[in-house]
Amino acid sequence: EVVLTQSPDFQSVTPKEKVTITCRASQSIGSSLHWYQQKPDQSPKLLIKFVSQSFSGVPSRFSGSGSGTDFTLTINSLEAEDAATYYCHQSSSLPFTFGPGTKVDIK
Amino acid sequence: EVHLVQSGGGLVQPGGSLRLSCAASGFTFTTYWMHWVRQAPGKGLVWVSRINSDGSDANYADSVKGRFTISRDNAKNTLYLQMNSLRAEDTAVYYCGRSAPTEYWGQGTLVTVSS
Repeated sequence: EVVLTQSPDFQSVTPKEKVTITCRASQSIGSSLHWYQQKPDQSPKLLIKFVSQSFSGVPSRFSGSGSGTDFTLTINSLEAEDAATYYCHQSSSLPFTFGPGTKVDIK
Repeated sequence: EVHLVQSGGGLVQPGGSLRLSCAASGFTFTTYWMHWVRQAPGKGLVWVSRINSDGSDANYADSVKGRFTISRDNAKNTLYLQMNSLRAEDTAVYYCGRSAPTEYWGQGTLVTVSS
């Protein structure tokens, strides 16, 4: 099973600040790494698929990068509405797995 | 517009059964793999199962293998999850989703396993 670890677990950020969340896979997963945003009592929403492809309608301040085992989600110029938990997810091999999540709070 | 509307959650006793449904609209259901993902209260997302477009192939997380069965009725554009021998640790919000990566999600349905 591919284990995904995320860092940090929690981040408190000022609006307009840049946020970087990392996701590390226990083995190479190529480009099958995706990022989701989940707000309390809501379903997750896809932000980035296959490392760096923005999903339709996602603001351009969200971007992704990386390859192999190390991946990054970047939020440029954080807005108040970005307060949420962010999950990485791999679809390279079964069972598909998710990272533990990174909670982003607004100061 | 893509919609996934879930139904069928609720309270069930340990050892009991429940069937979840996920009605799809706004896309050609017969061409997509479908998935179930769950989230225990206050916890992260966990992949549960997937089924291919014609229903001939399915995969499961080890934690549910042999107890849960995923299926679909392409004539009704509906995905199902039959959950048997339920345990307290199966308590979670269950989400259906289209494809992996999951571009569209259902609204979630809470399953509570408790006596």
